Amino acid sequence: ETGVTQSPTHLIKTRGQQVTLRCSSQSGHNTVSWYQQALGQGPQFIFQYYREEENGRGNFPPRFSGLQFPNYSSELNVNALELDDSALYLCASSLYGATYEQYFGPGTRLTVT
Amino acid sequence: GQNIDQPTEMTATEGAIVQINCTYQTSGFNGLFWYQQHAGEAPTFLSYNVLDGLEEKGRFSSFLSRSKGYSYLLLKELQMKDSASYLCAVKGNSGYALNFGKGTSLLVTP
Repeated sequence: ETGVTQSPTHLIKTRGQQVTLRCSSQSGHNTVSWYQQALGQGPQFIFQYYREEENGRGNFPPRFSGLQFPNYSSELNVNALELDDSALYLCASSLYGATYEQYFGPGTRLTVT
Repeated sequence: GQNIDQPTEMTATEGAIVQINCTYQTSGFNGLFWYQQHAGEAPTFLSYNVLDGLEEKGRFSSFLSRSKGYSYLLLKELQMKDSASYLCAVKGNSGYALNFGKGTSLLVTP
């Protein structure tokens, strides 16, 4: 069984730039959720994708956007990067409706300078 | 709104028992989760409670009281590898988002 994978592992960007993070869901899972985890904090829900559409969104501005592909993999795009966007970005995959079986990827550490 | 509180740090001795508490005030309730997260790694699922009572899984147990908005994670026979952050999370009315607390950093000492 293939676990959740994310790329890249680490990334350094400059304020104002744009970034794309990628996530491959666990085999058999059709839903992907993205979370932002600042240092010393718990993960904060960004949004969830199911059937290639945004299924729910947390309290994040529109410059955070995403995509889901037919193979259930997903991208998180962040435009106009700000220093506060520096965080660990986690994706989690699950079967739709079965959030209790949500598996997290290793995360992408984004640093904005 | 969502408010999930847990202690910031705890220290315990190898072989001992430790209880990590979590209190919550959320818009609706559809389950409470505990995750373990080692530094620089992904959170890993430990337990899920949706009904009141105690769920036991090996050295780890989790308790829930919905009327009190309270849960705890009990770790028995502590091992050095249990040093990690423990995250309490609640699924609210949305049915899809997990709302996490800030995590409790547990240090197990020899």
